[in-house]
Amino acid sequence: DADVTQTPRNRITKTGKRIMLECSQTKGHDRMYWYRQDPGLGLRLIYYSFDVKDINKGEISDGYSVSRQAQAKFSLSLESAIPNQTALYFCATSDQSAGGPIGEQFFGPGTRLTVL
Amino acid sequence: GNSVTQMEGPVTLSEEAFLTINCTYTATGYPSLFWYVQYPGEGLQLLLKATKADDKGSNKGFEATYRKETTSFHLEKGSVQVSDSAVYFCALSSYSGYALNFGKGTSLLVTP
Repeated sequence: DADVTQTPRNRITKTGKRIMLECSQTKGHDRMYWYRQDPGLGLRLIYYSFDVKDINKGEISDGYSVSRQAQAKFSLSLESAIPNQTALYFCATSDQSAGGPIGEQFFGPGTRLTVL
Repeated sequence: GNSVTQMEGPVTLSEEAFLTINCTYTATGYPSLFWYVQYPGEGLQLLLKATKADDKGSNKGFEATYRKETTSFHLEKGSVQVSDSAVYFCALSSYSGYALNFGKGTSLLVTP
């Protein structure tokens, strides 16, 4: 079984709809991240969470919100979806329990979101 | 702030050709450097990494050497295969960062 899972894998929605993307991990990592990937722009960080009670905005958080329901679950919500939020969304985890610089991040398979 | 610059793609090579994908970085202190690969329809996975100057990361025939003097971490492979077709991302992390900083990615297409 995959260590980092994302649901749904694909979603088509309409402008103005609320949508939630979910991420679960079985790696026991403390940190979780949400990125979006757009052609030519690479990966951009939306939100990150150091633990259940520590959630932080990334470089492009406007229009998004997150919830860390448990150490293993980190959800991304689009309160009112707009077409320019059409992208590939990735969840990632890392283990920083020993401190030090960010080490390897482990990625989920991605959610392809289309907003019409 | 920290940043990573990669050569723009797409890069198209014939099978068994030599591959170089350039990556340079800007960072304070001594970052760790990574190459990630994204195969079609999949998430990113770590290809190799180096944590200090002059370290060489290697995996699956790919290599990259951490060059502090030129702030570079170029990815190389001596003989590419069709199965190497993917998008490659260079990334860095530092003590002052809270997440990896990724380059924009370089798409590689290897033709038979």
